[in-house]
Amino acid sequence: GAGVSQTPSNKVTEKGKYVELRCDPISGHTALYWYRQSLGQGPEFLIYFQGTGAADDSGLPNDRFFAVRPEGSVSTLKIQRTERGDSAVYLCASSPGGGPSGANVLTFGAGSRLTVL
Amino acid sequence: AQSVSQHNHHVILSEAASLELGCNYSYGGTVNLFWYVQYPGQHLQLLLKYFSGDPLVKGIKGFEAEFIKSKFSFNLRKPSVQWSDTAEYFCAVNNRLTGGGNKLTFGTGTQLKVEL
Repeated sequence: GAGVSQTPSNKVTEKGKYVELRCDPISGHTALYWYRQSLGQGPEFLIYFQGTGAADDSGLPNDRFFAVRPEGSVSTLKIQRTERGDSAVYLCASSPGGGPSGANVLTFGAGSRLTVL
Repeated sequence: AQSVSQHNHHVILSEAASLELGCNYSYGGTVNLFWYVQYPGQHLQLLLKYFSGDPLVKGIKGFEAEFIKSKFSFNLRKPSVQWSDTAEYFCAVNNRLTGGGNKLTFGTGTQLKVEL
């Protein structure tokens, strides 16, 4: 597509529930990233995919968070047993490639706002 | 771990005033530097970037930034702001030696309000 698409744009859930957030990157972009932005903070890195594999998942806060990208395009971020502290805007970004120099520009989506009651 | 500091959290300027937003990073190695902007109701967009070469980089809408390696800084400037520059500005850094990808570390952002 023309840009990075994220759904849903807003999600309200109850504590303890399971949530899935979807990201559709720019067509042809091999690298895909998930970030989390809490109120008053900058985006915080969660995980990065190069193709189908997670190249760096060091930002995932705990094992309740998991992400997949089975066909190297669309990605889903999955959060189990949600907690109130998970409330944030979850941003997805993509880039043409994740070259070794890091000299790639990320294009961000509009984000999915998650509210855990 | 690297970190990014943006010292000005809120800035209010009148139209035509000059702007400088500070950005300092902690990592001492080779870095790539970025400024992203988020206009009200819109998503993050790239304003400008520095990878190598001339340390003074020019971006969209008349913005520029200067990389000063000795000061670990990448301050954003604009000589004359417009009301439409009202937005939140984020400085970001990645470390070229991480072996790939773009694990950007962002600052906390600066909220700029330009008054008519």
